[in-house]
Amino acid sequence: EVQLVESGGGLVKPGGSLRLSCAASGFTFTNAWMNWVRQAPGKGLEWVGRIKSKPAGGTIDYAAPVNARFTISRDDSTNTVYLQMNSLKTEDTAVYYCTTGTPIDYWGQGTLVTVSS
Amino acid sequence: QLVLTQSPSASASLGASIKLTCTLSSGHSSNAIAWHQQQPEKGPRYLMKLNSDGSHSKGDGVPDRFSGSSSGAERYLTISSLQSEDEADYYCQAWDTGVQVFGTGTKVTVL
Repeated sequence: EVQLVESGGGLVKPGGSLRLSCAASGFTFTNAWMNWVRQAPGKGLEWVGRIKSKPAGGTIDYAAPVNARFTISRDDSTNTVYLQMNSLKTEDTAVYYCTTGTPIDYWGQGTLVTVSS
Repeated sequence: QLVLTQSPSASASLGASIKLTCTLSSGHSSNAIAWHQQQPEKGPRYLMKLNSDGSHSKGDGVPDRFSGSSSGAERYLTISSLQSEDEADYYCQAWDTGVQVFGTGTKVTVL
């Protein structure tokens, strides 16, 4: 059974930083392309970024609103993908979901990030 | 630019069928898409990948009541024998080199 478990969410002040983690199991993580998707309160889904598997080149792509502020990385030894978020803004407040694949075929349960003073 | 267009809402009676539409922007009519369901207060769930020829592959445990079809730049999700648990937001998703996009979602109400 595929499981994606996010952690690391919480309350942070504008301009602050936070690192989210996603522990994956139930599939061959080393071959998986992993995404982060977010959903602001009462809004729709927004793709944040994706990291390809190392065999596919490990390329990382980001959505324009987070480019240069967010960094996605992965640790294939622990089946974990990370989202480092810097220079956070109030508009980054959202539930952040870890997902697999292109197209996305599995979703985690999400972790809430609140950016507020 | 890859953009997906969805109607904000749709409704149908319990036991009826409903057909949702996702329209791909100009120049992307051959793209495949995916459909996702988000029930109230829950995380999204992958329903299916839908190709331009109408062929589709469903996710784990997705009921046979859910099916997909395509025509030109339009991608459809049909839910037959509508159940109360089908009341949810439905999002389409597409991808291109270096980018993924979601439609704005369609809220389905079961009457």
